[in-house]
Amino acid sequence: EVQLVESGGGLVKPGGSLRLSCAASGFTFSSYSMNWVRQAPGKGLEWVSSISSSSSYIYYADSVKGRFTISRDNAKNSLYLQMNSLRAEDTAVYYCARGGAVAGPFDYWGQGTLVTVSS
Amino acid sequence: EIVLTQSPGTLSLSPGERATLSCRASQSVSSSYLAWYQQKPGQAPRLLIYGASSRATGIPDRFSGSGSGTDFTLTISRLEPEDFAVYYCQQYGSSQGTFGQGTKVEIK
Repeated sequence: EVQLVESGGGLVKPGGSLRLSCAASGFTFSSYSMNWVRQAPGKGLEWVSSISSSSSYIYYADSVKGRFTISRDNAKNSLYLQMNSLRAEDTAVYYCARGGAVAGPFDYWGQGTLVTVSS
Repeated sequence: EIVLTQSPGTLSLSPGERATLSCRASQSVSSSYLAWYQQKPGQAPRLLIYGASSRATGIPDRFSGSGSGTDFTLTISRLEPEDFAVYYCQQYGSSQGTFGQGTKVEIK
């Protein structure tokens, strides 16, 4: 069974940093691209970042470019999102989601971790 | 960046009725890399349709997708009580996996 479990969310002050993790199991992690998607309270889904299976290709939404860094450790079956210079508008539930081998839909999602940016 | 616009914002229907949701892209979506997701309150999104018209594993056949280029449609042939939710389209073929703003299907 495919499982994605996010962790690392919490309350952080504006300008602060946070590192999210996503632990994957039930599939060959190193064969799939992975993604972060967020959802602000009461709002829609916003794609944040994607990373290819071997980390060769990395993409970011304009809203987080230069502040967030996506990475993965295929030996540990883990995905990460380093978030720096956090702003109030980054407050959201952050989901990790599995992509395809190349370009693919997001077929499995974690339950999300809440990040709150507030003083 | 491809912008996806969904309509209507809210659809008020009764169980058993047919639901038709629209998703329009600001430019052509390559190779029909268009997906639809369902999200219920407090839950993660669930993949329904990918490649514009292929049902994901375990998705009932009352859900169907169609379209190409810039215009796509999700149809729910007969609404079941569990289908009342928010639906999002997404394009995943470019370097940015953008989502539409969502359509809420509510009970009339």
